Amino acid sequence: DAGVIQSPRHEVTEMGQEVTLRCKPISGHDYLFWYRQTMMRGLELLIYFNNNVPIDDSGMPEDRFSAKMPNASFSTLKIQPSEPRDSAVYFCASSLTSDGTDTQYFGPGTRLTVL
Amino acid sequence: QQPVQSPQAVILREGEDAVINCSSSKALYSVHWYRQKHGEAPVFLMILLKGGEQKGHEKISASFNEKKQQSSLYLTASQLSYSGTYFCGTDRTGSQGNLIFGKGTKLSVKP
Repeated sequence: DAGVIQSPRHEVTEMGQEVTLRCKPISGHDYLFWYRQTMMRGLELLIYFNNNVPIDDSGMPEDRFSAKMPNASFSTLKIQPSEPRDSAVYFCASSLTSDGTDTQYFGPGTRLTVL
Repeated sequence: QQPVQSPQAVILREGEDAVINCSSSKALYSVHWYRQKHGEAPVFLMILLKGGEQKGHEKISASFNEKKQQSSLYLTASQLSYSGTYFCGTDRTGSQGNLIFGKGTKLSVKP
């Protein structure tokens, strides 16, 4: 079975440009999570969805960040305008349920560099 | 509220043992352990639940002390493939959406 799919794997852009990261969760998983990973802060939850509906976006750092999930098989994380401090690895993960005993399956990540 | 992991890094020779600790300042419902190899995604290892139940990896053991609000991951007879960064994720409410990860412990196993 295919795991979580993310694209692009690497993105280099200039400050001020719009960046869109994409994620396809595992089929049948009702929950989708977006994380950001940096050396300083580690792995931080940005937002998560249940059945395509955003449940908690309190981790989204600023209004420059937005996320959507138009259907069960696709989600986007957009940064507009991008800034150098947004440089990080962004992971998407999915799980079958929100139960604390369930497992999250992570995608390969998108390494974003903002110059 | 981010859990504190110790040590930050450890270097082992093949066959040696290691313990990685994860401490929280709050009461926990569960602790999740993941391993991330360089340039790859975190991969699930184990969940430890309040009450003692464990789910996960057969070759890796862990403990969860609810009173002390801490968990320990035990890596015995380490192999080269154990190298990577180990993260604990703590959950206080029984919901995946409230999982908070520590900064990780980097484990290097040398031949």
